Amino acid sequence: AQSVDQPDAHVTLSEGASLELRCSYSYSAAPYLFWYVQYPGQSLQFLLKYITGDTVVKGTKGFEAEFRKSNSSFNLKKSPAHWSDSAKYFCALENTGYQNFYFGKGTSLTVIP
Amino acid sequence: AQTIHQWPVAEIKAVGSPLSLGCTIKGKSSPNLYWYWQATGGTLQQLFYSITVGQVESVVQLNLSASRPKDDQFILSTEKLLLSHSGFYLCAWSTDYEQYFGPGTRLTVL
Repeated sequence: AQSVDQPDAHVTLSEGASLELRCSYSYSAAPYLFWYVQYPGQSLQFLLKYITGDTVVKGTKGFEAEFRKSNSSFNLKKSPAHWSDSAKYFCALENTGYQNFYFGKGTSLTVIP
Repeated sequence: AQTIHQWPVAEIKAVGSPLSLGCTIKGKSSPNLYWYWQATGGTLQQLFYSITVGQVESVVQLNLSASRPKDDQFILSTEKLLLSHSGFYLCAWSTDYEQYFGPGTRLTVL
């Protein structure tokens, strides 16, 4: 069965530091992977995706993510972090071709100015 | 540009009462549409998806139903609300595997 795990419920760091949010997945086929961000009281916004090809993908707001098949991970990165990056981040996987999406529990990021 | 609108913005309903939530997408022809539910502070659970008018697929059973009466409209409903239905309901459309979410409807069931 497919699943997405975000092991860190909360991450706190100082502005200017590098951020890396962890995501691992379980899926038997080639995964389609995504990151979304949710600001307090708001809906979700698309950040980036990995479908195929280059394992480092760049997205909006200066974020990038690296797909590592060897350890089934898709970690989100940004350097430097800014206080405005404080939000909840969700990693997601699509059951390829079936229009079924699975989201992790999310990581709440706090960037201290 | 595409826009997605959800209505109502918020609802407070009694247990056992009916519910209808709506979603409209403008500026995109024949979009793939999705309904999600998010418990307060929780993750997203996909409920339904629709690829074309009149066709809706259920992903998880939560005593809810969905319909797509028009190309740009997606409706979520139930005849009898449960306390467990409380939460944030999000509609989304997709292009090139990217999903774009509406502003959501916050539902409180008392």
